[in-house]
Formats: sequence, structure tokens, C-alpha cells
Amino acid sequence: SAVISQKPSRDICQRGTSLTIQCQVDSQVTMMFWYRQQPGQSLTLIATANQGSEATYESGFVIDKFPISRPNLTFSTLTVSNMSPEDSSIYLCSPSPSGSPGELFFGEGSRLTVL
Amino acid sequence: GQSLEQPSEVTAVEGAIVQINCTYQTSGFYGLSWYQQHDGGAPTFLSYNALDGLEETGRFSSFLSRSDSYGYLLLQELQMKDSASYFCAVILYGNNRLAFGKGNQVVVIP
Repeated sequence: SAVISQKPSRDICQRGTSLTIQCQVDSQVTMMFWYRQQPGQSLTLIATANQGSEATYESGFVIDKFPISRPNLTFSTLTVSNMSPEDSSIYLCSPSPSGSPGELFFGEGSRLTVL
Repeated sequence: GQSLEQPSEVTAVEGAIVQINCTYQTSGFYGLSWYQQHDGGAPTFLSYNALDGLEETGRFSSFLSRSDSYGYLLLQELQMKDSASYFCAVILYGNNRLAFGKGNQVVVIP
């Protein structure tokens, strides 16, 4: 399984600011998935990041709010822009599976609290 | 689009058996996965069903019936460490992205 590192692990942010979350994987992967998990809720896919092309966003998520970069096959960033308390969540990255298509591995997540 | 339904919470004693159901509506998918998540932790993969039938992995088994749009996770010989949330997820056509169900919290008591 891939080793996935996310930074920051947690942060407290002020309303209206932006924060960039980094995701580093120890091997090259085709796609990187970014998920959000609001308190007490399930995981919701924000977008899929490919290298060399714009990320594909799911319904309800837009690039202006959640810009994503994918400069190479081992790294990606997700920015949460102009934050509000509703953005308080855990944000998780996950590389596309190399084995079984149903077997995702996740980073430890970035727990954001917006005041 | 897709939607996945799971009951919300179940409490069971150590050594018992718990079945967590998952019904889904999706236009097409590769298979059904199950994930476990402890409080404060990341989700971890448990099982994947690409085909109809039962997959067994130690104390955990997972089942899929595409004709019934239904699957379940069976937790046997429950241990305290099994107290966690359990999510089903369908693997969607296209870029193999996963869509997760709402999750089911299992509480194991002595």
C-alpha cells in the first residue's frame, strides 16, 4: 500500500482566509482523489486530480472554492478558499488504486476548524 | 447519479455477530467496497466485491447482489476494537472514483 502524508494534520482558521492542504504519496499514481468529511458525516468526493490537466469536480464543488494543483505524479494540493464555518471538516486525499479498484488508501486527513 | 443507504447505529456485545446492510441506486459500477473508520482516524479498507456472492476475510465477510442492488458486511466474533463506523462505497465507472454511503456506527459492549 502507498504511504500517504498530508499536511497540515489540523488547523484552526479564521473566516475569509484560505488554506492549502498538501498530499504526498511515496509512489507515482495516475489520479489523486480529494474527499471531504464533515463532522459526523460520510465521505464526499470533491474532485479528481490528474497531472497535466484540470481537476474534475463533483457536483456541488467548484474550482474557485477548491482549487487543486497536481504538479507531478506523487504530489497534489487542495486549497479551501474564503473559508466559512461550514468548511470545518476533515479533508482526505487518496491515490487511485494500484491493485483492486475498490481498495483506496487514505492519508490521515487534515482537520480544519473555521471560526 | 448514485445514492447509498445504510442504517445509522447498532450496539452489540462482544462475541456477537452484526450484519450491516447497504442498498444502493447507481447507474453503473464496478463493485462494492467496505471501509472501517475509528474515531479520529482515516478510513481503512476492509473488503471488495466485484462479483455477486460472498467474500470472506477473517472475521469479516461481505456480500453483493447486483440484481437486488444490495450488499452487506458481516462482522463475526465481535471484539471491542470493532467499535467504529462502517461505510459501503460503490466504485463508479469512469475514473474509478468511490461514492460512499452514509455509514453505520457499531458499538461493541462487554
